[in-house]
Amino acid sequence: AQSVTQLDSHVSVSEGTPVLLRCNYSSSYSPSLFWYVQHPNKGLQLLLKYTSAATLVKGINGFEAEFKKSETSFHLTKPSAHMSDAAEYFCVVSERTGFQKLVFGTGTRLLVSP
Amino acid sequence: NAGVTQTPKFQVLKTGQSMTLQCAQDMNHNSMYWYRQDPGMGLRLIYYSASEGTTDKGEVPNGYNVSRLNKREFSLRLESAAPSQTSVYFCASSEELSQSANYGYTFGSGTRLTVV
Repeated sequence: AQSVTQLDSHVSVSEGTPVLLRCNYSSSYSPSLFWYVQHPNKGLQLLLKYTSAATLVKGINGFEAEFKKSETSFHLTKPSAHMSDAAEYFCVVSERTGFQKLVFGTGTRLLVSP
Repeated sequence: NAGVTQTPKFQVLKTGQSMTLQCAQDMNHNSMYWYRQDPGMGLRLIYYSASEGTTDKGEVPNGYNVSRLNKREFSLRLESAAPSQTSVYFCASSEELSQSANYGYTFGSGTRLTVV
Protein backbone atom coordinates (compact mmCIF):
# COMPACT_ATOMS: atom_id res chain seq x y z
CA ALA A 1 0.00 0.00 0.00
CA GLN A 2 1.15 3.51 -0.67
CA SER A 3 1.66 6.26 1.90
CA VAL A 4 3.21 9.69 2.27
CA THR A 5 4.93 11.37 5.17
CA GLN A 6 5.12 15.13 5.37
CA LEU A 7 8.03 15.76 7.66
CA ASP A 8 6.95 19.15 9.01
CA SER A 9 3.52 20.10 10.29
CA HIS A 10 4.41 23.81 10.20
CA VAL A 11 7.04 25.78 8.28
CA SER A 12 7.68 29.48 8.89
CA VAL A 13 9.55 31.69 6.42
CA SER A 14 10.00 35.38 5.80
CA GLU A 15 8.71 36.97 2.63
CA GLY A 16 11.36 36.79 -0.09
CA THR A 17 13.20 33.78 1.37
CA PRO A 18 13.16 30.24 -0.08
CA VAL A 19 10.49 27.69 0.74
CA LEU A 20 11.12 23.97 1.29
CA LEU A 21 8.27 21.61 2.18
CA ARG A 22 9.40 18.03 2.61
CA CYS A 23 7.58 14.87 1.53
CA ASN A 24 8.65 11.23 1.54
CA TYR A 25 6.57 8.50 -0.03
CA SER A 26 6.20 4.76 0.05
CA SER A 27 4.81 2.80 -2.88
CA SER A 28 4.96 -0.78 -4.12
CA TYR A 29 4.62 0.34 -7.72
CA SER A 30 5.71 3.30 -9.79
CA PRO A 31 3.87 6.18 -8.19
CA SER A 32 2.35 9.40 -9.34
CA LEU A 33 2.87 12.25 -6.91
CA PHE A 34 1.00 15.49 -6.46
CA TRP A 35 1.12 18.62 -4.38
CA TYR A 36 -2.17 20.32 -3.55
CA VAL A 37 -2.59 23.70 -1.86
CA GLN A 38 -5.47 24.74 0.37
CA HIS A 39 -5.92 28.40 1.22
CA PRO A 40 -7.93 29.20 4.37
CA ASN A 41 -11.57 28.13 4.08
CA LYS A 42 -11.08 27.09 0.46
CA GLY A 43 -11.00 23.84 -1.46
CA LEU A 44 -7.88 22.05 -2.66
CA GLN A 45 -6.12 23.22 -5.79
CA LEU A 46 -3.63 21.16 -7.77
CA LEU A 47 -0.20 22.80 -7.61
CA LEU A 48 1.82 20.30 -9.66
CA LYS A 49 2.13 16.61 -10.47
CA TYR A 50 4.73 13.98 -11.34
CA THR A 51 3.52 11.15 -13.56
CA SER A 52 6.74 9.43 -14.71
CA ALA A 53 7.94 12.01 -17.20
CA ALA A 54 10.52 14.65 -16.22
CA THR A 55 11.68 14.31 -12.62
CA LEU A 56 11.77 18.08 -12.07
CA VAL A 57 8.21 19.33 -12.22
CA LYS A 58 7.14 22.95 -12.42
CA GLY A 59 3.80 24.08 -11.10
CA ILE A 60 1.77 27.20 -10.67
CA ASN A 61 2.87 30.31 -8.77
CA GLY A 62 6.59 29.54 -9.11
CA PHE A 63 6.59 26.25 -7.20
CA GLU A 64 8.50 23.19 -8.33
CA ALA A 65 9.24 19.71 -7.01
CA GLU A 66 11.82 17.06 -7.81
CA PHE A 67 11.06 13.35 -7.82
CA LYS A 68 14.01 11.44 -6.33
CA LYS A 69 13.43 7.72 -6.51
CA SER A 70 16.62 6.82 -4.62
CA GLU A 71 15.51 8.98 -1.70
CA THR A 72 11.76 8.29 -2.10
CA SER A 73 11.22 12.02 -1.83
CA PHE A 74 9.16 14.67 -3.59
CA HIS A 75 10.02 17.94 -1.86
CA LEU A 76 8.26 21.17 -2.83
CA THR A 77 10.35 24.34 -3.28
CA LYS A 78 9.98 27.96 -4.26
CA PRO A 79 12.89 30.41 -4.55
CA SER A 80 11.14 33.37 -2.97
CA ALA A 81 8.08 33.25 -0.71
CA HIS A 82 5.19 35.64 -1.13
CA MET A 83 2.60 36.52 1.50
CA SER A 84 -0.07 34.92 -0.68
CA ASP A 85 1.73 31.54 -0.37
CA ALA A 86 0.55 31.19 3.23
CA ALA A 87 -1.65 28.08 3.10
CA GLU A 88 -1.72 24.38 3.86
CA TYR A 89 0.07 22.08 1.44
CA PHE A 90 -0.67 18.40 0.92
CA CYS A 91 1.62 15.83 -0.65
CA VAL A 92 -0.35 13.06 -2.35
CA VAL A 93 0.63 9.69 -3.84
CA SER A 94 -1.20 7.38 -6.19
CA GLU A 95 -0.08 4.08 -7.62
CA ARG A 96 -0.49 3.85 -11.40
CA THR A 97 -2.20 0.48 -11.25
CA GLY A 98 -5.55 -0.90 -10.14
CA PHE A 99 -7.62 1.39 -7.99
CA GLN A 100 -5.66 4.59 -8.40
CA LYS A 101 -6.69 6.03 -5.08
CA LEU A 102 -5.08 9.26 -4.01
CA VAL A 103 -3.53 8.97 -0.56
CA PHE A 104 -2.95 12.25 1.28
CA GLY A 105 -0.26 13.29 3.70
CA THR A 106 -1.23 15.06 6.91
CA GLY A 107 -0.38 18.49 5.53
CA THR A 108 2.19 21.24 6.13
CA ARG A 109 1.03 24.69 7.10
CA LEU A 110 3.22 27.39 5.55
CA LEU A 111 3.40 30.66 7.46
CA VAL A 112 4.90 33.69 5.72
CA SER A 113 5.90 36.73 7.74
CA PRO A 114 6.60 40.21 6.35
CA ASN B 1 -16.80 28.16 -14.02
CA ALA B 2 -16.82 24.40 -14.57
CA GLY B 3 -16.04 22.37 -11.51
CA VAL B 4 -17.39 20.65 -8.42
CA THR B 5 -20.16 22.35 -6.44
CA GLN B 6 -20.97 21.42 -2.85
CA THR B 7 -23.94 22.50 -0.77
CA PRO B 8 -24.32 23.64 1.92
CA LYS B 9 -21.06 25.40 2.80
CA PHE B 10 -21.74 25.40 6.53
CA GLN B 11 -24.08 23.35 8.73
CA VAL B 12 -24.66 22.87 12.45
CA LEU B 13 -26.51 19.74 13.54
CA LYS B 14 -27.64 18.39 16.84
CA THR B 15 -26.59 14.88 17.82
CA GLY B 16 -28.96 12.38 16.25
CA GLN B 17 -30.16 14.62 13.44
CA SER B 18 -29.79 13.56 9.84
CA MET B 19 -28.71 15.49 6.79
CA THR B 20 -27.52 15.07 3.22
CA LEU B 21 -24.51 16.80 1.71
CA GLN B 22 -24.92 17.48 -1.97
CA CYS B 23 -22.24 17.39 -4.65
CA ALA B 24 -22.49 18.01 -8.38
CA GLN B 25 -19.86 18.20 -11.12
CA ASP B 26 -20.24 19.52 -14.64
CA MET B 27 -17.03 18.14 -16.19
CA ASN B 28 -18.58 14.87 -17.41
CA HIS B 29 -16.37 12.94 -15.00
CA ASN B 30 -17.15 9.29 -14.35
CA SER B 31 -15.66 8.93 -10.86
CA MET B 32 -16.59 10.82 -7.71
CA TYR B 33 -15.35 10.77 -4.11
CA TRP B 34 -16.20 11.95 -0.61
CA TYR B 35 -13.41 12.83 1.83
CA ARG B 36 -13.35 14.18 5.33
CA GLN B 37 -10.60 16.47 6.59
CA ASP B 38 -9.63 16.57 10.25
CA PRO B 39 -6.74 18.52 11.83
CA GLY B 40 -3.46 16.63 11.66
CA MET B 41 -4.98 13.74 9.70
CA GLY B 42 -5.04 14.97 6.14
CA LEU B 43 -7.94 13.82 3.96
CA ARG B 44 -9.49 10.39 4.45
CA LEU B 45 -11.69 8.69 1.89
CA ILE B 46 -15.24 7.96 3.06
CA TYR B 47 -16.89 6.55 -0.07
CA TYR B 48 -16.28 6.64 -3.77
CA SER B 49 -18.18 5.95 -6.96
CA ALA B 50 -16.12 4.65 -9.87
CA SER B 51 -18.99 5.18 -12.30
CA GLU B 52 -22.71 5.90 -12.38
CA GLY B 53 -24.57 3.14 -10.57
CA THR B 54 -21.65 1.95 -8.42
CA THR B 55 -20.47 2.95 -4.96
CA ASP B 56 -17.80 1.53 -2.66
CA LYS B 57 -16.50 2.07 0.85
CA GLY B 58 -13.30 3.95 1.52
CA GLU B 59 -11.24 4.10 4.70
CA VAL B 60 -13.83 5.59 7.08
CA PRO B 61 -17.37 4.68 5.89
CA ASN B 62 -19.03 4.01 9.26
CA GLY B 63 -21.93 6.36 9.98
CA TYR B 64 -22.34 7.43 6.35
CA ASN B 65 -24.28 6.41 3.27
CA VAL B 66 -23.97 7.64 -0.31
CA SER B 67 -26.06 7.81 -3.45
CA ARG B 68 -24.80 8.28 -6.97
CA LEU B 69 -27.97 9.87 -8.27
CA ASN B 70 -26.74 10.22 -11.84
CA LYS B 71 -23.45 10.93 -13.56
CA ARG B 72 -23.32 14.49 -12.22
CA GLU B 73 -24.43 14.06 -8.61
CA PHE B 74 -23.04 12.18 -5.63
CA SER B 75 -24.60 12.78 -2.21
CA LEU B 76 -23.40 11.89 1.28
CA ARG B 77 -25.92 11.18 4.03
CA LEU B 78 -25.48 11.18 7.78
CA GLU B 79 -28.41 9.22 9.22
CA SER B 80 -27.77 10.00 12.90
CA ALA B 81 -25.09 12.62 13.35
CA ALA B 82 -22.50 12.24 16.12
CA PRO B 83 -19.97 14.78 17.45
CA SER B 84 -17.18 12.60 15.98
CA GLN B 85 -18.52 13.52 12.54
CA THR B 86 -17.65 17.18 13.07
CA SER B 87 -15.31 17.80 10.15
CA VAL B 88 -14.84 19.46 6.80
CA TYR B 89 -16.21 17.35 3.99
CA PHE B 90 -14.86 17.51 0.45
CA CYS B 91 -16.32 16.09 -2.70
CA ALA B 92 -14.01 15.41 -5.63
CA SER B 93 -14.22 13.99 -9.12
CA SER B 94 -11.94 12.51 -11.76
CA GLU B 95 -12.44 11.56 -15.39
CA GLU B 96 -11.85 7.89 -14.71
CA LEU B 97 -10.80 6.07 -11.56
CA SER B 98 -8.15 4.28 -13.65
CA GLN B 99 -6.73 7.63 -14.79
CA SER B 100 -6.56 9.32 -11.40
CA ALA B 101 -2.82 8.77 -11.18
CA ASN B 102 -2.35 10.80 -14.35
CA TYR B 103 -4.64 13.70 -13.63
CA GLY B 104 -5.48 13.83 -9.94
CA TYR B 105 -8.85 15.01 -8.70
CA THR B 106 -10.87 18.21 -8.93
CA PHE B 107 -12.19 19.26 -5.53
CA GLY B 108 -15.19 21.21 -4.36
CA SER B 109 -14.84 24.02 -1.84
CA GLY B 110 -16.01 21.90 1.09
CA THR B 111 -18.81 21.71 3.67
CA ARG B 112 -17.92 22.64 7.22
CA LEU B 113 -20.11 20.50 9.51
CA THR B 114 -20.40 20.88 13.27
CA VAL B 115 -22.33 18.35 15.35
CA VAL B 116 -23.21 19.54 18.87
